Amino acid sequence: TQLLEQSPQFLSIQEGENLTVYCNSSSVFSSLQWYRQEPGEGPVLLVTVVTGGEVKKLKRLTFQFGDARKDSSLHITAAQTGDTGLYLCAGFPSRTYKYIFGTGTRLKVLA
Amino acid sequence: EAGVAQSPRYKIIEKRQSVAFWCNPISGHATLYWYQQILGQGPKLLIQFQNNGVVDDSQLPKDRFSAERLKGVDSTLKIQPAKLEDSAVYLCASSLESTANSPLHFGNGTRLTVT
Repeated sequence: TQLLEQSPQFLSIQEGENLTVYCNSSSVFSSLQWYRQEPGEGPVLLVTVVTGGEVKKLKRLTFQFGDARKDSSLHITAAQTGDTGLYLCAGFPSRTYKYIFGTGTRLKVLA
Repeated sequence: EAGVAQSPRYKIIEKRQSVAFWCNPISGHATLYWYQQILGQGPKLLIQFQNNGVVDDSQLPKDRFSAERLKGVDSTLKIQPAKLEDSAVYLCASSLESTANSPLHFGNGTRLTVT
């Protein structure tokens, strides 16, 4: 059973466009992390969101945690070719010690 | 600080052969994770250790996969015998503890190809 579903699965856009990636679950998470992974490397942590309704900004990236702590979104403004990669959400479902990842969103930004 | 070390970087074997992967976590990290990642998908947790004890191994195919972390530091993951569908990247990660306040640090993975 996949507890964290991401959408879209694939996204190909032109440089300068905006995009949003979604991470949804039927389970409550005490926090969620977002990672970016490039080919041949392990995932690298971008941000952690902890409080329901929380919004965090990292330059052109905006992360939001849902009020019920069951979903999250990542919005990229004016995408650049350097944003290309696999974006992953992850976290510990409440009352578990098992750290799980979402299904992943592969983003390609074209020059 | 030194990062998570994994070896080998690449491995190609034939089906029914055996293979082993090694991981050395960041010093002082109590929790160690092994993930299997199929190309383009999110990593799937195989096994999670807290020191030398197993926290979760519910998705480890125990008829062919085994893992150990005998001294609570480095770890090995073994596949015997390998199947074609085991072709994937095997990622090792570590964290200070198994809580939301302890971010995971990943190695660069071992890419396994089973022919």
